[in-house]
Amino acid sequence: EAGVAQSPRYKIIEKRQSVAFWCNPISGHATLYWYQQILGQGPKLLIQFQNNGVVDDSQLPKDRFSAERLKGVDSTLKIQPAKLEDSAVYLCASSYSGQKTYEQYFGPGTRLTVT
Amino acid sequence: AQRVTQPEKLLSVFKGAPVELKCNYSYSGSPELFWYVQYSRQRLQLLLRHISRESIKGFTADLNKGETSFHLKKPFAQEEDSAMYYCALRSSSGSARQLTFGSGTQLTVLP
Repeated sequence: EAGVAQSPRYKIIEKRQSVAFWCNPISGHATLYWYQQILGQGPKLLIQFQNNGVVDDSQLPKDRFSAERLKGVDSTLKIQPAKLEDSAVYLCASSYSGQKTYEQYFGPGTRLTVT
Repeated sequence: AQRVTQPEKLLSVFKGAPVELKCNYSYSGSPELFWYVQYSRQRLQLLLRHISRESIKGFTADLNKGETSFHLKKPFAQEEDSAMYYCALRSSSGSARQLTFGSGTQLTVLP
């Protein structure tokens, strides 16, 4: 099966600019996740979707981050305006729902550098 | 709040030696624990879960609720085991049941 796709793979922007990331999950996976992984740390969940609804966005900095999954498939994560501390790898993952959410399939990530 | 601690950022062992990657957790309920692994230039992937109690690639992990630990062990390390290992906890209740990851341990198996 095709894996989780993400684009772009790398992005360099200046602070206060905006940026958007795209994710296409594995076909049939109802649950989609966006994680932020800062260098030296483990992935931190930003937002979790079930189909096109938000299940958990408690750790999403909503003043600058937004995410959507309009048709229950692809998803985009946006940062506007970016800050230096947003430099990180942004990982998208997908899974089946319910009990199987522990088995998440990760994309290659987008490495964001904010200068 | 749930928390996962991996005290070692780096761990080096020689090929054929035993290896143990430490993981401690903090959670008020009954946790589910997992190990994820990321090999060089590959994606993060699930290695094993405590409920299954199976050995994957020679690795095992036992949940010790008394010590709140879930250490990953292998009796004879191989060079291909070199990777980044993350311990993760999933809450047993709630609609989201999100995974909380530790900060990871980079394992290097020396020839």
